[in-house]
Amino acid sequence: DAGVIQSPRHEVTEMGQEVTLRCKPISGHNSLFWYRQTMMRGLELLIYFNNNVPIDDSGMPEDRFSAKMPNASFSTLKIQPSEPRDSAVYFCASSLGGGTYGYTFGSGTRLTVV
Amino acid sequence: EDQVTQSPEALRLQEGESSSLNCSYTVSGLRGLFWYRQDPGKGPEFLFTLYSAGEEKEKERLKATLTKKESFLHITAPKPEDSATYLCAVIGSSNTGKLIFGQGTTLQVKP
Repeated sequence: DAGVIQSPRHEVTEMGQEVTLRCKPISGHNSLFWYRQTMMRGLELLIYFNNNVPIDDSGMPEDRFSAKMPNASFSTLKIQPSEPRDSAVYFCASSLGGGTYGYTFGSGTRLTVV
Repeated sequence: EDQVTQSPEALRLQEGESSSLNCSYTVSGLRGLFWYRQDPGKGPEFLFTLYSAGEEKEKERLKATLTKKESFLHITAPKPEDSATYLCAVIGSSNTGKLIFGQGTTLQVKP
């Protein structure tokens, strides 16, 4: 298995632009998680899907952030409009059984908003 | 509110110098405690899951233990390749699958 695949690996964009991050979870995993990592706040959960349905989006910072999971093999996290304070590493992770057995993380997308 | 605190923030060891990392947690109904390793520029990599107090898991030079309030990651005779950030996380019964992470301990092992 190729693991959790995220794209792009790096993204540099100007403030106000739309940014779309992509994730392909491990085949057969039914839970998908989007995390954001910064030096100040560490790893923070943004949103969590179970069987393609959003279960908990309480970590989504504001309306500028949205996430979708149209099918079991693909998810997107969109930021519109982007702001410099959104600069961070965004990780996608997937698991079987809602996370109780741990997650497998992707390599992350490093987002820089200038 | 579920919370995880790791100490120390950073640890420098000489090769072969054993030590322990601490993870203190408060959670309602612990369903699992997880240790991850994160190398620079990479995603966290799963190491261990512990489910109940008294449980221990080992992998090469690493051993994880769990009590009702904290977990330790013991590193025996570390090598430079053990240098990484070690993250602790918990899932509680009120969190429906959400892993709550600590801030991590950055370990540097010098040859």
